[in-house]
Amino acid sequence: GAGVSQTPSNKVTEKGKYVELRCDPISGHTALYWYRQSLGQGPEFLIYFQGTGAADDSGLPNDRFFAVRPEGSVSTLKIQRTERGDSAVYLCASSHQQGGQFFGPGTRLTVL
Amino acid sequence: GENVEQHPSTLSVQEGDSAVIKCTYSDSASNYFPWYKQELGKGPQLIIDIRSNVGEKKDQRIAVTLNKTAKHFSLHITETQPEDSAVYFCAATNRDDKIIFGKGTRLHILP
Repeated sequence: GAGVSQTPSNKVTEKGKYVELRCDPISGHTALYWYRQSLGQGPEFLIYFQGTGAADDSGLPNDRFFAVRPEGSVSTLKIQRTERGDSAVYLCASSHQQGGQFFGPGTRLTVL
Repeated sequence: GENVEQHPSTLSVQEGDSAVIKCTYSDSASNYFPWYKQELGKGPQLIIDIRSNVGEKKDQRIAVTLNKTAKHFSLHITETQPEDSAVYFCAATNRDDKIIFGKGTRLHILP
């Protein structure tokens, strides 16, 4: 079946703008995760959803970052007042209960 | 919190030889250790994982070993092929959600 999909694949924005990144998890996966990956580094945890609720948002760097998953499937990561330091690849993953996490291709965000 | 160290950062091996990547973790409560392969421009791909109730797991040319006492775990790739060239990440967690990744190993398979 289809894997995790993320849109857009690339996003270029200007400093101070608002962006939304979308994740479509694997059908039936109850858990959804957002990670951020900087060049030459491993993915860094941001937030984890179990169903519609954020079970752990301890990785969000500050209050400019927010994520939702209103119907327990698609999730949107929202970044307000973007800064150049927000530039990275944003990865989404999903899993079924205690199974392994399966990642999407990521959204490359560039803040000019 | 958990901290995962991974070595080496870069590894070059001749095609057909074996490659070994080693990781250590700090949190003795960690009980799930996945390994991911990431190719350029793509997301990480889960290739194998191991839980703390076993010491070794094998899947064709890939094997992982876990030493809970020493808090070490390793990835072994035998009979390497050109398509094995990628960045490999080890990871650890005790909750199946907040996975902590190592910094990655760039594996080059030389012809």
